[in-house]
Amino acid sequence: EVQLVESGGGLVQPGGSLRLSCVASGFSFSDHYMDWVRQAPGKGLEWVGRSRSKVNSYTTEYAASVKGRFSISRDDSRNSVDLQMNSLQTEDTAMYYCGRSHCTTYQCPWADDYFDHWGQGALVTVSS
Amino acid sequence: DIQLTQSPSSLSASVGGRVTIACRASQGINNNLAWFQQKPGKAPKSLIYAASNLQSGVSSKFSGSGSGTDFTLTISSLQPEDVATYYCQQHDTYPLTFGGGTKVEIE
Repeated sequence: EVQLVESGGGLVQPGGSLRLSCVASGFSFSDHYMDWVRQAPGKGLEWVGRSRSKVNSYTTEYAASVKGRFSISRDDSRNSVDLQMNSLQTEDTAMYYCGRSHCTTYQCPWADDYFDHWGQGALVTVSS
Repeated sequence: DIQLTQSPSSLSASVGGRVTIACRASQGINNNLAWFQQKPGKAPKSLIYAASNLQSGVSSKFSGSGSGTDFTLTISSLQPEDVATYYCQQHDTYPLTFGGGTKVEIE
């Protein structure tokens, strides 16, 4: 059974930093793209960024709203993908979800690049 | 960025009724559209990918259709457990984007 478990959420002051982790089990983690998606309280879903798989050189993509402040890294030996969040702002307050892309191939075609599993989320609150 | 516009933003229907949710993309997305269900306080659940393909384990009462810029999610027979917010998402280009959501309730 595929499982994704996020951790590391909490309360942080504006301008502060926080690191979220997503630990995976039940599948070959190193083969898959892994993403972060967030949801502000009472709002819709917003894609944050992704880490591609080893065969794709672990390259990353980010939403414009977090580029330069957030970074995604992964450790295939621990089956984990981390989201390092710096210079946090109140508008970064959200539930952060880890999502698995179905993609496992080199230069995965978009038709195969869809989310198929999600974690339960980690709540990040940015407030003074 | 590709904008996805969902309609309606909310709806209520009778148990057993048919529900249709629309999602319009601001430009063509080659049928690379997914649908998700999110129940209150829960994580999203993947329902459909590439416009019309059912995710493994998802009930066949859910179906997706459409092409180009206009897509539809249909629930064939609404049940109380289907009360949720439904989102579309394009998986065609960066940044990945989501629709604003459609809240589905029972009349």
